[in-house]
Amino acid sequence: DADVTQTPRNRITKTGKRIMLECSQTKGHDRMYWYRQDPGLGLQLIYYSFDVKDINKGEISDGYSVSRQAQAKFSLSLESAIPNQTALYFCATSASQAGTPGGEQFFGPGTRLTVL
Amino acid sequence: GQNIDQPTEMTATEGAIVQINCTYQTSGFNGLFWYQQHAGEAPTFLSYNVLDGLEEKGRFSSFLSRSKGYSYLLLKELQMKDSASYLCAVRDTDKLIFGTGTRLQVFP
Repeated sequence: DADVTQTPRNRITKTGKRIMLECSQTKGHDRMYWYRQDPGLGLQLIYYSFDVKDINKGEISDGYSVSRQAQAKFSLSLESAIPNQTALYFCATSASQAGTPGGEQFFGPGTRLTVL
Repeated sequence: GQNIDQPTEMTATEGAIVQINCTYQTSGFNGLFWYQQHAGEAPTFLSYNVLDGLEEKGRFSSFLSRSKGYSYLLLKELQMKDSASYLCAVRDTDKLIFGTGTRLQVFP
Protein backbone atom coordinates (compact mmCIF):
# COMPACT_ATOMS: atom_id res chain seq x y z
CA ASP A 1 0.00 0.00 0.00
CA ALA A 2 1.18 3.51 -0.77
CA ASP A 3 2.03 4.98 2.58
CA VAL A 4 3.76 7.59 4.73
CA THR A 5 6.20 6.18 7.26
CA GLN A 6 8.14 7.83 10.07
CA THR A 7 11.16 6.66 12.03
CA PRO A 8 11.64 6.41 14.91
CA ARG A 9 8.15 6.10 16.37
CA ASN A 10 9.34 6.98 19.86
CA ARG A 11 12.52 8.67 21.03
CA ILE A 12 13.79 9.84 24.38
CA THR A 13 16.84 12.07 24.35
CA LYS A 14 18.70 14.55 26.52
CA THR A 15 18.99 18.31 26.30
CA GLY A 16 21.65 19.40 23.83
CA LYS A 17 21.63 16.26 21.70
CA ARG A 18 21.16 16.36 17.93
CA ILE A 19 18.16 14.39 16.76
CA MET A 20 16.96 13.45 13.28
CA LEU A 21 13.43 12.33 12.49
CA GLU A 22 12.88 10.70 9.13
CA CYS A 23 9.90 10.54 6.83
CA SER A 24 9.44 8.43 3.72
CA GLN A 25 6.49 8.12 1.37
CA THR A 26 5.48 5.83 -1.44
CA LYS A 27 2.52 7.92 -2.59
CA GLY A 28 4.49 9.67 -5.32
CA HIS A 29 3.54 13.06 -3.88
CA ASP A 30 5.75 16.06 -4.50
CA ARG A 31 4.79 18.04 -1.41
CA MET A 32 5.93 17.15 2.12
CA TYR A 33 5.40 18.80 5.50
CA TRP A 34 6.55 18.57 9.10
CA TYR A 35 4.20 19.46 11.98
CA ARG A 36 4.40 19.30 15.73
CA GLN A 37 1.40 18.74 17.95
CA ASP A 38 1.21 19.77 21.58
CA PRO A 39 -1.83 19.13 23.81
CA GLY A 40 -4.35 21.93 23.34
CA LEU A 41 -2.36 23.66 20.60
CA GLY A 42 -3.33 21.73 17.49
CA LEU A 43 -0.94 21.08 14.61
CA GLN A 44 1.73 23.69 13.96
CA LEU A 45 3.68 23.75 10.71
CA ILE A 46 7.47 23.60 11.12
CA TYR A 47 8.76 23.32 7.53
CA TYR A 48 7.39 22.35 4.16
CA SER A 49 8.77 21.45 0.76
CA PHE A 50 7.05 21.47 -2.62
CA ASP A 51 9.83 19.64 -4.44
CA VAL A 52 13.40 18.50 -3.89
CA LYS A 53 14.90 21.96 -4.38
CA ASP A 54 12.22 23.84 -2.46
CA ILE A 55 12.31 24.34 1.34
CA ASN A 56 10.08 26.80 3.22
CA LYS A 57 9.79 27.81 6.86
CA GLY A 58 6.51 27.32 8.64
CA GLU A 59 5.12 28.99 11.75
CA ILE A 60 7.63 27.57 14.23
CA SER A 61 10.90 26.79 12.42
CA ASP A 62 13.32 28.13 15.07
CA GLY A 63 15.46 25.33 16.50
CA TYR A 64 14.70 22.98 13.59
CA SER A 65 16.18 22.27 10.17
CA VAL A 66 15.12 20.00 7.33
CA SER A 67 16.57 18.14 4.38
CA ARG A 68 14.71 16.90 1.30
CA GLN A 69 17.03 14.14 0.18
CA ALA A 70 14.74 12.87 -2.57
CA GLN A 71 11.14 13.31 -3.62
CA ALA A 72 10.19 10.50 -1.26
CA LYS A 73 12.27 11.53 1.78
CA PHE A 74 12.05 14.54 4.08
CA SER A 75 14.03 14.65 7.34
CA LEU A 76 13.62 16.94 10.32
CA SER A 77 16.58 17.73 12.59
CA LEU A 78 16.74 19.26 16.02
CA GLU A 79 20.26 20.65 16.19
CA SER A 80 20.37 20.95 19.97
CA ALA A 81 17.25 19.52 21.56
CA ILE A 82 15.57 21.34 24.46
CA PRO A 83 12.75 20.15 26.76
CA ASN A 84 10.09 22.38 25.18
CA GLN A 85 10.57 20.49 21.93
CA THR A 86 8.94 17.51 23.61
CA ALA A 87 5.92 16.86 21.37
CA LEU A 88 4.31 14.56 18.83
CA TYR A 89 5.77 15.15 15.37
CA PHE A 90 3.91 14.36 12.17
CA CYS A 91 5.07 14.21 8.60
CA ALA A 92 2.49 14.73 5.85
CA THR A 93 2.38 14.62 2.05
CA SER A 94 0.11 16.00 -0.63
CA ALA A 95 -0.08 16.08 -4.39
CA SER A 96 -0.08 19.29 -6.37
CA GLN A 97 -1.87 17.99 -9.44
CA ALA A 98 -5.17 19.55 -10.42
CA GLY A 99 -8.10 17.24 -10.02
CA THR A 100 -7.14 15.93 -6.59
CA PRO A 101 -9.78 16.53 -3.94
CA GLY A 102 -8.37 19.85 -2.83
CA GLY A 103 -4.90 18.52 -2.27
CA GLU A 104 -5.65 16.77 1.01
CA GLN A 105 -2.68 15.94 3.19
CA PHE A 106 -1.89 12.38 4.22
CA PHE A 107 -0.20 11.98 7.58
CA GLY A 108 2.40 9.56 8.83
CA PRO A 109 1.87 7.72 12.15
CA GLY A 110 3.85 10.27 14.15
CA THR A 111 7.02 10.31 16.25
CA ARG A 112 6.71 10.87 19.98
CA LEU A 113 9.80 12.80 21.09
CA THR A 114 10.71 13.40 24.71
CA VAL A 115 13.61 15.70 25.59
CA LEU A 116 14.81 15.36 29.18
CA GLY B 1 -3.72 37.42 11.46
CA GLN B 2 -4.75 33.80 11.23
CA ASN B 3 -7.42 32.52 13.59
CA ILE B 4 -9.47 29.35 13.58
CA ASP B 5 -11.91 28.69 16.41
CA GLN B 6 -13.55 25.43 17.42
CA PRO B 7 -15.13 24.32 20.70
CA THR B 8 -12.62 22.47 22.85
CA GLU B 9 -14.85 19.58 23.88
CA MET B 10 -18.28 18.15 23.11
CA THR B 11 -20.22 15.16 24.34
CA ALA B 12 -23.03 13.22 22.69
CA THR B 13 -24.95 9.98 22.95
CA GLU B 14 -24.61 6.95 20.71
CA GLY B 15 -27.12 7.15 17.84
CA ALA B 16 -27.53 10.91 18.12
CA ILE B 17 -26.49 13.74 15.77
CA VAL B 18 -23.76 16.24 16.65
CA GLN B 19 -22.63 19.43 14.91
CA ILE B 20 -19.09 20.73 15.38
CA ASN B 21 -18.65 24.36 14.40
CA CYS B 22 -15.57 26.12 13.07
CA THR B 23 -15.12 29.83 12.45
CA TYR B 24 -12.09 31.24 10.71
CA GLN B 25 -10.35 34.50 9.91
CA THR B 26 -7.41 33.99 7.59
CA SER B 27 -5.51 36.21 5.17
CA GLY B 28 -6.30 33.84 2.31
CA PHE B 29 -8.78 31.05 1.66
CA ASN B 30 -8.43 28.16 -0.73
CA GLY B 31 -10.59 25.50 0.85
CA LEU B 32 -11.52 24.09 4.25
CA PHE B 33 -10.74 20.57 5.47
CA TRP B 34 -12.01 18.43 8.30
CA TYR B 35 -9.81 15.71 9.77
CA GLN B 36 -10.50 13.07 12.40
CA GLN B 37 -7.79 12.16 14.90
CA HIS B 38 -7.99 9.37 17.45
CA ALA B 39 -5.80 9.84 20.50
CA GLY B 40 -2.11 9.27 19.71
CA GLU B 41 -2.81 8.53 16.05
CA ALA B 42 -2.41 10.39 12.77
CA PRO B 43 -5.14 12.72 11.50
CA THR B 44 -7.21 11.22 8.70
CA PHE B 45 -9.05 13.20 6.04
CA LEU B 46 -12.84 13.46 6.35
CA SER B 47 -14.05 16.21 4.04
CA TYR B 48 -13.21 19.20 1.91
CA ASN B 49 -15.26 22.29 1.03
CA VAL B 50 -14.18 25.06 -1.30
CA LEU B 51 -17.60 26.34 -2.44
CA ASP B 52 -20.51 27.35 -0.24
CA GLY B 53 -22.93 24.62 0.66
CA LEU B 54 -23.17 21.14 2.03
CA GLU B 55 -20.99 18.16 1.13
CA GLU B 56 -22.35 14.79 2.23
CA LYS B 57 -20.35 11.62 2.62
CA GLY B 58 -22.15 8.79 4.38
CA ARG B 59 -22.77 9.63 8.04
CA PHE B 60 -20.61 12.75 7.81
CA SER B 61 -21.53 16.07 6.18
CA SER B 62 -19.66 19.35 6.05
CA PHE B 63 -21.01 22.82 5.36
CA LEU B 64 -19.24 26.00 4.33
CA SER B 65 -20.23 29.67 4.23
CA ARG B 66 -17.31 31.70 2.92
CA SER B 67 -19.03 35.07 3.49
CA LYS B 68 -19.47 34.21 7.19
CA GLY B 69 -16.12 32.48 7.64
CA TYR B 70 -17.98 29.50 9.02
CA SER B 71 -18.08 25.76 8.62
CA TYR B 72 -19.59 22.84 10.47
CA LEU B 73 -19.12 19.10 10.50
CA LEU B 74 -22.28 17.08 11.08
CA LEU B 75 -22.02 13.54 12.35
CA LYS B 76 -25.15 11.40 12.21
CA GLU B 77 -26.00 8.08 13.86
CA LEU B 78 -23.10 8.46 16.24
CA GLN B 79 -21.08 5.37 17.09
CA MET B 80 -18.67 4.81 19.96
CA LYS B 81 -15.78 4.73 17.48
CA ASP B 82 -16.57 8.36 16.56
CA SER B 83 -15.03 9.41 19.88
CA ALA B 84 -12.02 11.36 18.62
CA SER B 85 -10.75 14.87 17.99
CA TYR B 86 -12.02 16.69 14.92
CA LEU B 87 -9.69 19.21 13.34
CA CYS B 88 -10.80 22.11 11.15
CA ALA B 89 -8.11 23.37 8.77
CA VAL B 90 -8.11 26.23 6.28
CA ARG B 91 -5.86 26.20 3.25
CA ASP B 92 -4.23 29.60 2.90
CA THR B 93 -2.53 29.59 -0.51
CA ASP B 94 -0.52 26.36 -0.22
CA LYS B 95 -0.43 25.81 3.53
CA LEU B 96 -2.95 24.34 5.95
CA ILE B 97 -3.72 26.27 9.12
CA PHE B 98 -5.24 24.05 11.79
CA GLY B 99 -7.61 24.86 14.59
CA THR B 100 -6.88 23.35 17.98
CA GLY B 101 -9.46 20.62 17.44
CA THR B 102 -12.69 19.56 19.12
CA ARG B 103 -12.56 16.49 21.35
CA LEU B 104 -15.82 14.56 20.96
CA GLN B 105 -16.81 11.93 23.50
CA VAL B 106 -19.66 9.58 22.59
CA PHE B 107 -21.43 7.87 25.48
CA PRO B 108 -23.61 4.75 25.32
